Amino acid sequence: DAKTTQPPSMDCAEGRAANLPCNHSTISGNEYVYWYRQIHSQGPQYIIHGLKNNETNEMASLIITEDRKSSTLILPHATLRDTAVYYCIVRVGYQAGTALIFGKGTTLSVSS
Amino acid sequence: DVKVTQSSRYLVKRTGEKVFLECVQDMDHENMFWYRQDPGLGLRLIYFSYDVKMKEKGDIPEGYSVSREKKERFSLILESASTNQTSMYLCASTSQGIEQFFGPGTRLTVL
Repeated sequence: DAKTTQPPSMDCAEGRAANLPCNHSTISGNEYVYWYRQIHSQGPQYIIHGLKNNETNEMASLIITEDRKSSTLILPHATLRDTAVYYCIVRVGYQAGTALIFGKGTTLSVSS
Repeated sequence: DVKVTQSSRYLVKRTGEKVFLECVQDMDHENMFWYRQDPGLGLRLIYFSYDVKMKEKGDIPEGYSVSREKKERFSLILESASTNQTSMYLCASTSQGIEQFFGPGTRLTVL
């Protein structure tokens, strides 16, 4: 699986967009970009994933650069409940019997 | 709603005790995982199972064993608990690997 690099921490004001970057310069053509988050004292939660095209769901948007070497997770209107550690993971879509490899992620702090 | 449940949220054990952590999922998933999470180290994979009675070592299996006798249940066993096994333990399951569903975690303290 390709390695990812994320900033250790970011701050965001409530109601503003939170843009979380991730670098994955060694990504392969068949590897997806996944985002998870972990709110304090809870298990990680899946947010979104993508291969080449930008993706949007009810939680967030994922923007992947054309060369696929980096991506940005966007929370359009951050709330206090979005304060969490956000993990960017790159891997092949499905490999039987393999696990996600979580790095240290980005701690997002949303304040009022 | 999909559900992964873990037997305890908090557990305190003594050094040398045998500890069982239970995980149950109700989604008929083939794959189940045990991670531990420590400050500054992120999530680390201990063991995983891709089918009943099948298991594979993760990155840090030493001091742990697992059991998967039924599809819905994956148990993590600490044969002789030590203080360096004090940690948050997270169970997860998945079917096709796109999305892993995590349990709430068990915070284990070994005294």
